[in-house]
Amino acid sequence: GDSVTQMEGPVTLSEEAFLTINCTYTATGYPSLFWYVQYPGEGLQLLLKATKADDKGSNKGFEATYRKETTSFHLEKGSVQVSDSAVYFCALNTNAGKSTFGDGTTLTVKP
Amino acid sequence: GAVVSQHPSWVICKSGTSVKIECRSLDFQATTMFWYRQFPKQSLMLMATSNEGSKATYEQGVEKDKFLINHASLTLSTLTVTSAHPEDSSFYICSASLGTGAGNTIYFGEGSWLTVV
Repeated sequence: GDSVTQMEGPVTLSEEAFLTINCTYTATGYPSLFWYVQYPGEGLQLLLKATKADDKGSNKGFEATYRKETTSFHLEKGSVQVSDSAVYFCALNTNAGKSTFGDGTTLTVKP
Repeated sequence: GAVVSQHPSWVICKSGTSVKIECRSLDFQATTMFWYRQFPKQSLMLMATSNEGSKATYEQGVEKDKFLINHASLTLSTLTVTSAHPEDSSFYICSASLGTGAGNTIYFGEGSWLTVV
């Protein structure tokens, strides 16, 4: 079945540091890939997505590139802020509409 | 604004009672919706697929008699937690896809926090 493996957390960074959260996936067919962010006590917010190989999703300074050859969709940001502290979920979606999530990575950014 | 709306956002119920959570698609019709559950500090796990006009499809290990799903219209799916117990306390969230295919945007509701006391 489909699965998503995320870099284990928690991740603690200083403000303005570079962020990478690794994500790899296993899926049948050609899934779309997503990154979601969840702030404490809140629901999911779509951060970015990519629907086919070599697509790059970007939003709010975050980027991720759909790499079919390595089945990866790593999340990056060049300079994190305290307000980026949250839990980040990598997910995939197939034609069936179901989403498969990674375990989530907690990011804490310290001033 | 929200494309998929859930209600209530927070609910506290007594053990043994039932509680209903609604998931509505706004401005679009959703023949299929999905219900997920998230335990504290864990990931989201698919519970069931809600199909308009037919029975829901439950994932392995999810009790269909405990988690009743009704998708009576193209814009509304409900999840009823029956005879709730403290271990049912969790974050429940629904999603719906605008259109079909893996490339379509999936919208998640705001989620519902259930606490059973």
